[in-house]
Amino acid sequence: DARVTQTPRHKVTEMGQEVTMRCQPILGHNTVFWYRQTMMQGLELLAYFRNRAPLDDSGMPKDRFSAEMPDATLATLKIQPSEPRDSAVYFCASGWGRDTEAFFGQGTRLTVV
Amino acid sequence: GQNIDQPTEMTATEGAIVQINCTYQTSGFNGLFWYQQHAGEAPTFLSYNVLDGLEEKGRFSSFLSRSKGYSYLLLKELQMKDSASYLCAVNTDSNYQLIWGAGTKLIIKP
Repeated sequence: DARVTQTPRHKVTEMGQEVTMRCQPILGHNTVFWYRQTMMQGLELLAYFRNRAPLDDSGMPKDRFSAEMPDATLATLKIQPSEPRDSAVYFCASGWGRDTEAFFGQGTRLTVV
Repeated sequence: GQNIDQPTEMTATEGAIVQINCTYQTSGFNGLFWYQQHAGEAPTFLSYNVLDGLEEKGRFSSFLSRSKGYSYLLLKELQMKDSASYLCAVNTDSNYQLIWGAGTKLIIKP
């Protein structure tokens, strides 16, 4: 049963700490998305990779956020330093392109206190 | 600017039919997605429309009118498990952006 796997599922951290979220996309997918979801803003695209190359990260605050794909089986999203306003659910999704179905992971619920 | 509008919340009765509308104003259009999201869970894909018209998939159908910037999701024979948020998203030309609506929370009553 192929699925996108995200770790950790929940993270509580203190303001100023570094947070790293990991995602294992579905094997064979060439596109990976990172999204953030809050009640106020809804679903926001943070970063978009195709064949491991970052194509769009315009939705991501560059001063504290970074997204990478060190290999085809791992995508990471880092926040350093974290702030309370970063509290949200972060979803990773993978697929075969922007115009096809995206498969979402279960998300990482981040709370920064 | 880029904008997608959906009703915030709708209520319907089990067994009935409901139509969830989505209107969009975007810089370019390459298709429109509908996703379902149950509370506390990840979004799951329902449909993708690129051309005008109605596409049917079992109890769910999705309609698109590109000239009107309008889509709707039609749910028939509603079941309690259809209680969820329904998200509309537009695939634009601009910087690979996928623009998401805020979602419509659908409440099904017995």
